Amino acid sequence: DIQMTQSPSSLSASVGDRVTITCRASQSIGTYLNWYQQKPGKAPILLIYAASSLQSGVPSRFSGSGSGTDFTLTIRSLQPEDFATYYCQQSYNFPYTFGQGTNLEIK
Amino acid sequence: QVQLQESSPGLVKPSETLSLDCTVSGGSLSNYYWNWIRQPPGKGLQWIGNMYYSGSTNYNPSLKSRVTISVDTSKNQFSLKLTSVTAADTAVYYCARGRLQDFDYWGQGTLVTVSS
Repeated sequence: DIQMTQSPSSLSASVGDRVTITCRASQSIGTYLNWYQQKPGKAPILLIYAASSLQSGVPSRFSGSGSGTDFTLTIRSLQPEDFATYYCQQSYNFPYTFGQGTNLEIK
Repeated sequence: QVQLQESSPGLVKPSETLSLDCTVSGGSLSNYYWNWIRQPPGKGLQWIGNMYYSGSTNYNPSLKSRVTISVDTSKNQFSLKLTSVTAADTAVYYCARGRLQDFDYWGQGTLVTVSS
């Protein structure tokens, strides 16, 4: 299985901050990388697919980049509704695997 | 607007079979992958497996011997069966629509507890 490792595991930030979350794959996965946001008690929501494509309806302050083994999710100008847990997920091969999550908290 | 809704068995006894249905509304099953994903309480996400609408399946090897996913196009529904459950299978189970490589629509999730 491809292991996905996110860093940091938790992060404190303030409204208006720019935040970057990193995801590293245990082998090269091209751009087969997706990002999801999950709030407590809710299902995950797709934010970014294919490493850098913004899912329809997702605010443009979210962006993704990277290829191969190293990827980043950037949130420009944090909004109160952005405080949540973020997961990366590889779709290069089966079984699909997720990172352990990054919990973004309000400072 | 596509919506997915899991059934809610709630409590399953150890060694029994967990059965879940996911009903899809607002769209067809055609041309998509239909996935099951689970999340133990307080933990991360684990992909269980999927089925393409035409019937081909892919399963997580860690669960493959116990999992069956099926699709009923007449009901616009797909299902999960997980046999010989233990407490380690206690989780929120999500159904999700898959495009080729991501999950764009999810059900709200249903907590399944394995306990006698």
